Amino acid sequence: AQSVTQPDIHITVSEGASLELRCNYSYGATPYLFWYVQSPGQGLQLLLKYFSGDTLVQGIKGFEAEFKRSQSSFNLRKPSVHWSDAAEYFCAVGATEYGNKLVFGAGTILRVKS
Amino acid sequence: DVKVTQSSRYLVKRTGEKVFLECVQDMDHENMFWYRQDPGLGLRLIYFSYDVKMKEKGDIPEGYSVSREKKERFSLILESASTNQTSMYLCASRSGGRAFFGQGTRLTVV
Repeated sequence: AQSVTQPDIHITVSEGASLELRCNYSYGATPYLFWYVQSPGQGLQLLLKYFSGDTLVQGIKGFEAEFKRSQSSFNLRKPSVHWSDAAEYFCAVGATEYGNKLVFGAGTILRVKS
Repeated sequence: DVKVTQSSRYLVKRTGEKVFLECVQDMDHENMFWYRQDPGLGLRLIYFSYDVKMKEKGDIPEGYSVSREKKERFSLILESASTNQTSMYLCASRSGGRAFFGQGTRLTVV
């Protein structure tokens, strides 16, 4: 069965510090992998996605993620966090076929302290 | 600019009421989805639709139904609202692996 695990419920980092949010997935085929951010009062926004090719993908707002097949992981990183990055982050996995559905992780709440 | 619009940001309904949550997208997408988001549980898929008048159950369809009479509109129906359906509801449309979400409807059932 498909599943996505985000082991950290919440993380607090200082502004300017680096960030890594963990995501592990279980999937029977080559996955589509996504990271979304939900800021307070906002809908979900796509940060980045991985389908194939280079395993290090760049997204918006300075985020990047690395696909590691051997570890079934797709961790999100940012070298220097800004206070506006405080939000909830969701990792998701989907199939490659048309009409598939995304399976989301439980989310990680990021708090940024100044 | 792409847009997914949910008709209400906040709703308060009484137990036993029939509740309609409306979602409209302007991108001509075939696929539309309804999720609920609860603390510690992330997003869970309730129903999705891959074409007009077509629907499929997601992970937690009990207590819900949906309607897709037109391509741009996907409605979530709570036949008889219960307090355990108090949640944030998110609508999404999807094409080519990209999903676009509405702002969400926070529903409180009292």
